[in-house]
Amino acid sequence: AQKVTQAQTEISVVEKEDVTLDCVYETRDTTYYLFWYKQPPSGELVFLIRRNSFDEQNEISGRYSWNFQKSTSSFNFTITASQVVDSAVYFCALSERNTGGFKTIFGAGTRLFVKA
Amino acid sequence: DTAVSQTPKYLVTQMGNDKSIKCEQNLGHDTMYWYKQDSKKFLKIMFSYNNKELIINETVPNRFSPKSPDKAHLNLHINSLELGDSAVYFCASSQKTGGATEAFFGQGTRLTVV
Repeated sequence: AQKVTQAQTEISVVEKEDVTLDCVYETRDTTYYLFWYKQPPSGELVFLIRRNSFDEQNEISGRYSWNFQKSTSSFNFTITASQVVDSAVYFCALSERNTGGFKTIFGAGTRLFVKA
Repeated sequence: DTAVSQTPKYLVTQMGNDKSIKCEQNLGHDTMYWYKQDSKKFLKIMFSYNNKELIINETVPNRFSPKSPDKAHLNLHINSLELGDSAVYFCASSQKTGGATEAFFGQGTRLTVV
């Protein structure tokens, strides 16, 4: 069965600190997809990254980087030099095959506070 | 141009009423979803439609009935509203490919049942 665990409920950092948001997943499928989404205080959900199970390359996009490790079933997200605008709830999600397509489940989210 | 738009943004209603939330996407996607986000921010899929056909129906009460008149629209009708239905409901869409692709979300509808 699918499961996504984001053990950190809330993290508070001071601007310019680096912060890592953890995500651990469970799946029995060999083909699956991992995602990160951001939900700022305004409430919309914004896609950040997608990774498939066959691509373990880490990715960097500006101040954001992602570390995908199949050996530990983790897909962690690091923000370097955090800024106040990074304050949001961040969701990790897992999609695996389901009848007719893929089913996505979300972790409980990690609320990040970045203080000036 | 709004990619996924849902209306209304806010909905306050009394217990026992019936209400609908509309959703439209102009991205040309084949798959549309309804998600429910509760007060603790848990986000859970309710329904998934692919090209107007229901493909995922999570254990949602029968009072919730999705309707997809075409692949660009997925509406949610809720009968006999209960206090526990209060939540933010998100519509989303994604492109059906060989694998799972990212979902584009609407801005959410905050439903408050009093």
